[in-house]
Amino acid sequence: GENVEQHPSTLSVQEGDSAVIKCTYSDSASNYFPWYKQELGKRPQLIIDIRSNVGEKKDQRIAVTLNKTAKHFSLHITETQPEDSAVYFCAATFNTNAGKSTFGDGTTLTVKP
Amino acid sequence: DAGVIQSPRHEVTEMGQEVTLRCKPISGHNSLFWYRQTMMRGLELLIYFNNNVPIDDSGMPEDRFSAKMPNASFSTLKIQPSEPRDSAVYFCASTLAGDGGELFFGEGSRLTVL
Repeated sequence: GENVEQHPSTLSVQEGDSAVIKCTYSDSASNYFPWYKQELGKRPQLIIDIRSNVGEKKDQRIAVTLNKTAKHFSLHITETQPEDSAVYFCAATFNTNAGKSTFGDGTTLTVKP
Repeated sequence: DAGVIQSPRHEVTEMGQEVTLRCKPISGHNSLFWYRQTMMRGLELLIYFNNNVPIDDSGMPEDRFSAKMPNASFSTLKIQPSEPRDSAVYFCASTLAGDGGELFFGEGSRLTVL
């Protein structure tokens, strides 16, 4: 089955700095790679996603890159703000497999004011 | 749509008691997932259904856990008998398989077994 590894497990940055979280996956059939943000006590919610036919996608301060050959993808957050503090999960999905996502273990991001 | 609806939001019970968690997926979604979240083990997939049929229950920890999806708008996760190590937040999520892939999570059910 699919295996997703996520690094680092914790990340602390100063407000305004950039944050990068990296994930690798094992199953070359995976074709959809979402990122979820989970604030304390809340549910995970999608913040950005990328499909296997795209190398990079941006949405304001967040971006995701995908390297299919190397089977890794990354989340980039620029100009971090305290409200970016949360747990971030990457996932790999084989979209025709009933939509099942395999999640990484999560990264706790702390943005210090 | 109101999103994925879970109940109860909080449950405190004593060891040995039966616990039933409920989930109503988003209307039109055809896949439903039950996850368990703990500090130690992160987000674990317990079981998932497609078109109301269980596809993979390999994540269900023990026979004490069971799940059903009698129709497209309702699913239950049952623990009988419950144990303190079952204490966790249980999330239900749904998606329309083949249409994108985003998972929509419910607000979760926080279970405490004393």
